[in-house]
Amino acid sequence: GAGVSQTPSNKVTEKGKYVELRCDPISGHTALYWYRQSLGQGPEFLIYFQGTGAADDSGLPNDRFFAVRPEGSVSTLKIQRTERGDSAVYLCASSPGAADYGYTFGSGTRLTVV
Amino acid sequence: GQSLEQPSEVTAVEGAIVQINCTYQTSGFYGLSWYQQHDGGAPTFLSYNALDGLEETGRFSSFLSRSDSYGYLLLQELQMKDSASYFCAVRPPSNTDKLIFGTGTRLQVFP
Repeated sequence: GAGVSQTPSNKVTEKGKYVELRCDPISGHTALYWYRQSLGQGPEFLIYFQGTGAADDSGLPNDRFFAVRPEGSVSTLKIQRTERGDSAVYLCASSPGAADYGYTFGSGTRLTVV
Repeated sequence: GQSLEQPSEVTAVEGAIVQINCTYQTSGFYGLSWYQQHDGGAPTFLSYNALDGLEETGRFSSFLSRSDSYGYLLLQELQMKDSASYFCAVRPPSNTDKLIFGTGTRLQVFP
């Protein structure tokens, strides 16, 4: 596709449930990033992939969060036992090269845990 | 660690010039980037300063001074559509490709 696609755009879930958020990056972009953004804050790094492997997962807050990119294209962010504090907009981005030269972000998935 | 501070809000009128500052406390980084984000939208890349000095892209310019731990985004000939949040970001000096984003500045342009 022409841009980074994220689905769903909105997700409401009950506390304790499991959710999956999907990201379809720009075709040919080898690097894929997940960020989380709370209201009024800047994006906060979670994890990034170079190809199929997680090159840096230092931003994942705890072991309830996990992400995969099995074929080096689409990625899924998985959150187990959701908590109200997980409510945020989850942004995915991709880039053809180094981050310095600009990410292309998707419109995000707004996750609300009730 | 890295910490990037920005003013929380800036207001200006159409046609004016506005400067959004970014001050940082970091042990080093590769360069300074700027992103624009409209309410409910995706952040979009505006500019990148790898070296000290001024980079100009149309109505937008960005400046970096490593010696002063300071950078800014300059927006000229402001338009209503420039009302948005603006974030500075740096890539930390380690073997990673992540960006650390600033606190963000909300720009409101009035007619």
